Formats: sequence, C-alpha cells, structure tokens
Amino acid sequence: EVQLVQSGAEVKKPGESLKISCKGSGYSFTSYWIGWVRQMPGKGLEWMGIIYPGDSDTRYSPSFQGQVTITADKSISTAYLQWSSLKASDTAIYYCVRREMGTFDYWGQGTLVTVSS
Amino acid sequence: SYVLTQPPSVSVAPGQTARITCGGNNIGSKSVHWYQQKPGQAPLLVVSDDSDRPSGIPERFSGSNSGNTATLTISRVEDGDEADYFCQVWDSISDHAVFGGGTKLTVL
Repeated sequence: EVQLVQSGAEVKKPGESLKISCKGSGYSFTSYWIGWVRQMPGKGLEWMGIIYPGDSDTRYSPSFQGQVTITADKSISTAYLQWSSLKASDTAIYYCVRREMGTFDYWGQGTLVTVSS
Repeated sequence: SYVLTQPPSVSVAPGQTARITCGGNNIGSKSVHWYQQKPGQAPLLVVSDDSDRPSGIPERFSGSNSGNTATLTISRVEDGDEADYFCQVWDSISDHAVFGGGTKLTVL
C-alpha cells in the first residue's frame, strides 16, 4: 500500500527556521516525483515545487522560488520542505504529494504549520 | 502563467446531477485532474486524465474536457459528496502544476 506519512504539527515564531518531512512507503521512492502543496486557512491549493528523489532534480513554482527549499534523502525514502526564516504568512497546511504523470495520485495527511509571535 | 477558473459554489439536491466546470485557455489540449476535499481531510483524486476514475471511486463521478472547459459530473448526488472540488493541470510550457480556485459543492 502506497503511503506518504508527514511529520507532525509545528508552532513557530517569526524568523525561526523549520524543516518538515514526508516519508514514502509501499513503492519505489526514487522512481516518482514528490511535490509539496500549500493550503492557507480557508483557501485553495497552491503548488510549491517538486523533487525527483532519484537524482534530486528540483523545480519550484515562481511564487515559492527562493522562499523554501525542497530536498530528499533517498536512503530513508523521505522528502523535506524547509524554511530559513518563517513569516506569519507561512501559516498553512502543507501536503506532500506523489506525482504520477501529470496528476497527484497520493497525498500525505498534511502538516499544519503555525507561525505566531 | 496558465490560469484555471472554477465557480466558487455549486448547489444541488440529493439524487440530482452536479456539474462543476473548470475553465482555461484551450484546456481541451491538456489533461485535467479533479480532487475532492472534505473538511479536515487531505484532497483525494477522483478523476484523472479528463475522465479516468482511480480505483475505489464510484462510477457516479465522471469527467469531460473540450475546448476551453473541463467538467466534473457527479450523478445521483449524495450527502457525502458535499466537499470542495479542485481541478488541476500540468502546464507543460512552464513545467509546473496549476490548480483551479476550487468549488464548494453544497447538497441541499
């Protein structure tokens, strides 16, 4: 069974750094792109970027380029999304997704990130 | 960048047919995917590549895509279908994913 299991909720202060994770199982982790999707409170879905764990090829949405970093450790089948300096506007639920051709066929359960002073 | 436009809300009575549209420039030339999101849950893929249903998705869910409009059709709507629905394409020019703004389906 394919699963994407994300790390737990985080509460941070503005200016702090953060790295959240997404562990894949039940499939060949290095053979599928893993992406990240943001959902701000009460809002829609926004695609942030994507990584191919097989060779770490990474693409970013222009809206998120330079704002976050996406990495992967294929030895432990885990992808990461990280911030060096959080802002209150980063408060959202973040989903990791598996890309199959042009669609996202499996989703993680989501990680709620709250940034507040 | 490519833009997908959805109506904010659609309402339908139980047992009737709901149609949710997704507009985009020449969207008929792209593959459209649809996701259902219920409150407090992660989105779920319900239709891929315009009209394919993943395993476990009821036959009541179907899709079509032509010209500048893709449509998700839900037949014999049930209370449990009440959710937000998002369309999505992969823009091959920018090599990026694009989501529509989402449509809230209300079952009256």
